Amino acid sequence: AQSVTQLGSHVSVSEGALVLLRCNYSSSVPPYLFWYVQYPNQGLQLLLKYTTGATLVKGINGFEAEFKKSETSFHLTKPSAHMSDAAEYFCAVWDTGRRALTFGSGTRLQVQP
Amino acid sequence: DAGVIQSPRHEVTEMGQEVTLRCKPISGHNSLFWYRQTMMRGLELLIYFNNNVPIDDSGMPEDRFSAKMPNASFSTLKIQPSEPRDSAVYFCASSLKGQGTEAFFGQGTRLTVV
Repeated sequence: AQSVTQLGSHVSVSEGALVLLRCNYSSSVPPYLFWYVQYPNQGLQLLLKYTTGATLVKGINGFEAEFKKSETSFHLTKPSAHMSDAAEYFCAVWDTGRRALTFGSGTRLQVQP
Repeated sequence: DAGVIQSPRHEVTEMGQEVTLRCKPISGHNSLFWYRQTMMRGLELLIYFNNNVPIDDSGMPEDRFSAKMPNASFSTLKIQPSEPRDSAVYFCASSLKGQGTEAFFGQGTRLTVV
């Protein structure tokens, strides 16, 4: 079974600073990886996904993530944080056994003015 | 398309009562998922359907939980009898069948059992 681990349940950055949210995966087959964002009292919205091909994936709202097989990582970054980025972020992997997405525990991003 | 539609958005019920949560997936999607979100356990997959057929219900916590998908445009998650520990946000999501396809989530139903 595939799984993901998100390091850091809370991350706080200043407005304009780099955002780095960490995700490591465990998979015996090439993984399909996803990042979702959840705003308060909302459902999850897809930010970006990696399936095959280019390892640097660009998503919405200026976010991007790089698939690094050697590090089993899929960290989410954004060069400059905006107040509107404050939300909870979930890394997910397609579980080929269960044939559904398995989510990490989430990272809550705070953006300080 | 209006996206995945869940109802109600909020539900408060007394322990022992039956609760039914509803979901309308995106038209054309043939996979439907029910997830539960709690502070303690995060996002858990409860059950999912492909082409209206339940494929994996291993995440359903107890026999008190049941889910149905009578047609491609409607699904229900029922809890009978409800207990305070069932309090959570329940999400429905839909997708096209196949690995690597993203799931689209509804806005969730916040269930409180008192």
